[in-house]
Amino acid sequence: GENVEQHPSTLSVQEGDSAVIKCTYSDSASNYFPWYKQELGKRPQLIIDIRSNVGEKKDQRIAVTLNKTAKHFSLHITETQPEDSAVYFCAAAYYGQNFVFGPGTRLSVLP
Amino acid sequence: GAVVSQHPSWVICKSGTSVKIECRSLDFQATTMFWYRQFPKQSLMLMATSNEGSKATYEQGVEKDKFLINHASLTLSTLTVTSAHPEDSSFYICSARDRSSGTSYEQYFGPGTRLTVT
Repeated sequence: GENVEQHPSTLSVQEGDSAVIKCTYSDSASNYFPWYKQELGKRPQLIIDIRSNVGEKKDQRIAVTLNKTAKHFSLHITETQPEDSAVYFCAAAYYGQNFVFGPGTRLSVLP
Repeated sequence: GAVVSQHPSWVICKSGTSVKIECRSLDFQATTMFWYRQFPKQSLMLMATSNEGSKATYEQGVEKDKFLINHASLTLSTLTVTSAHPEDSSFYICSARDRSSGTSYEQYFGPGTRLTVT
């Protein structure tokens, strides 16, 4: 089955700096890669997603890159703000089914 | 749009009793709903996938007789934790896919239910 690794497990950055979180997956059949932000005790919120036929996607301060050959994808957050502090999860899925989540990255943006 | 609710938001029950958690899609029809479990400071683990009108598909290691899932309509799925024990204490989150979403793969998540078994 699919296995998703995520690094780093914790990340602290100064406000205004960039943050990068990397994930690797094992199943080459996976074709959908969403990223979620979760605040303590709350539901995961989709922040950006990418499909396997696309190499990069950007939405304002957030971007995701995908390297299918190497089976890894990364989340990039620029101009970080304190409200970006949360736990971020990557996931790999096959046509929107069977989401396998990474272990998560706790991001702290220091003012 | 695409709102998913769960009820209750938190529940405390005694060991050996059963607890039912409801997941509803409020403004869309969901042919497929998913149930996840999240232990403190851990990731979300898929427990089962349920399709309206058919039996749920459970992930390996999830006891189907302990975690009963019913997806009786296009807007409601229920998870019943039977004979709950303290180790079942967790955050249970459901998600749903919009039947009319076309080629979108997005799952919409509910707010979660925190279960504490004493």
